[in-house]
Amino acid sequence: DQQVKQNSPSLSVQEGRISILNCDYTNSMFDYFLWYKKYPAEGPTFLISISSIKDKNEDGRFTVFLNKSAKHLSLHIVPSQPGDSAVYFCAANSANAGKSTFGDGTTLTVKP
Amino acid sequence: NAGVMQNPRHLVRRRGQEARLRCSPMKGHSHVYWYRQLPEEGLKFMVYLQKENIIDESGMPKERFSAEFPKEGPSILRIQQVVRGDSAAYFCASSLSPGTENEKLFFGSGTQLSVL
Repeated sequence: DQQVKQNSPSLSVQEGRISILNCDYTNSMFDYFLWYKKYPAEGPTFLISISSIKDKNEDGRFTVFLNKSAKHLSLHIVPSQPGDSAVYFCAANSANAGKSTFGDGTTLTVKP
Repeated sequence: NAGVMQNPRHLVRRRGQEARLRCSPMKGHSHVYWYRQLPEEGLKFMVYLQKENIIDESGMPKERFSAEFPKEGPSILRIQQVVRGDSAAYFCASSLSPGTENEKLFFGSGTQLSVL
């Protein structure tokens, strides 16, 4: 039973446009959500996060939105740049668990 | 200023051999996690350790796999009698204080295990 799902394996957008990556979760105990970015042959790196008490967090070109009632979060990248091309993982934490549960990732390709 | 260090980067083993993967967490981090990424799949949690303790091993196969994080030295993920299905990228991550709001994981570059 996959508790964190990223239903789109891939996404392709034009440089300068908005990229929207989606993530759904099933466990209502999750209280903190994170996005990681991964380039080939490297480990994931932290990008942005959001607490369950908020519905939006913004950091430069990156914004994460959380809809708790729908158990859905999304990552918006605007404007998208070719260097953003990578695999993006959504992850969820619960305070008691101590571990992060990851989705399967979405491969973003930004075309020049 | 070393981040999470994993070695080796690439490891080739024949079926039935043992694989040992090492991970040194970031300086000051006492929490270590191992994740596995099979081809075309996401990151699957295997085990969470603190110094000298296994906190959560719910994602680790019951047989052939073991992990430790001794008081001194790196964390070790050990796979005995490897099979082709063990071929994957194994990532180690460390954190400072799990369960806090600002907690995030710092990952190593991974060990790519290939079983012939």
